[in-house]
Amino acid sequence: AQSVTQPDIHITVSEGASLELRCNYSYGATPYLFWYVQSPGQGLQLLLKYFSGDTLVQGIKGFEAEFKRSQSSFNLRKPSVHWSDAAEYFCAVGPPPPVNTGFQKLVFGTGTRLLVSP
Amino acid sequence: EAQVTQNPRYLITVTGKKLTVTCSQNMNHEYMSWYRQDPGLGLRQIYYSMNVEVTDKGDVPEGYKVSRKEKRNFPLILESPSPNQTSLYFCASSLIADRANEKLFFGSGTQLSVL
Repeated sequence: AQSVTQPDIHITVSEGASLELRCNYSYGATPYLFWYVQSPGQGLQLLLKYFSGDTLVQGIKGFEAEFKRSQSSFNLRKPSVHWSDAAEYFCAVGPPPPVNTGFQKLVFGTGTRLLVSP
Repeated sequence: EAQVTQNPRYLITVTGKKLTVTCSQNMNHEYMSWYRQDPGLGLRQIYYSMNVEVTDKGDVPEGYKVSRKEKRNFPLILESPSPNQTSLYFCASSLIADRANEKLFFGSGTQLSVL
C-alpha cells in the first residue's frame, strides 16, 4: 500500500533563512506527488505537483520541490522564508494511471508545522 | 468568487445526536470528497463522489454517510456520533477527477466535538 512519511512534526526557521521540508513515499511505481499548505483556520491550498518530466518543480509563493526517484523523496524547499509562510505543510501521493487518474486515492502525510522566528 | 463552503465552522454535540455537516461548491465541480484531520494522522478520506448519485467509500467511512443528490452539494451525515468522531473535517472538490489538469479546492473546515 502506498504511504507517505513526513519525518519532521515541527520545524522552526528564522525569517530569511532557507527551508527544506522532507517527504518520503512508498509506492511500487512513481506516484503523482503533491505539496499542500494549510494556513491557520484555512483549508488546504496546492503549492505544487509532480507528474513526470523535470524533477525540479516550481510552485506558488516561491516554493519548489525536487523529486528524487532513488531516494523516494519529494522534498519542499524555499530559499528565503517569510513570516507569512508559517503554516502546516502536507505532502501527498496518488497512484498514477491506469490505476486511476483522480483524487480518489490521494494519501496525505501527517504534516509538518513550520514556525518562523523573527 | 469560486469557493467550497462548509457549515458550520464549529459544532459541539453529544453522543448519539444525529448531525449533518453541509458542503457546497459554486464551481460546477463533478468530484467532491470529505476528509477528517487528526493530530499525528494527517488527512484521511471518508467518502468521495465522482458525480451526482455516484459515491464511494474512502479509507475511514465507518460511522458516516453521504449523499450527492445535486452536483453542488455533498453533505456529511453522522447518524449517531461518538467521541472518536471528534475531529476537523474538510470538504474538497475538483472540476474533474483528473489530477494532471486539475486541483482540489478545500473548504475552511468544520471543527466537530462530540461529548
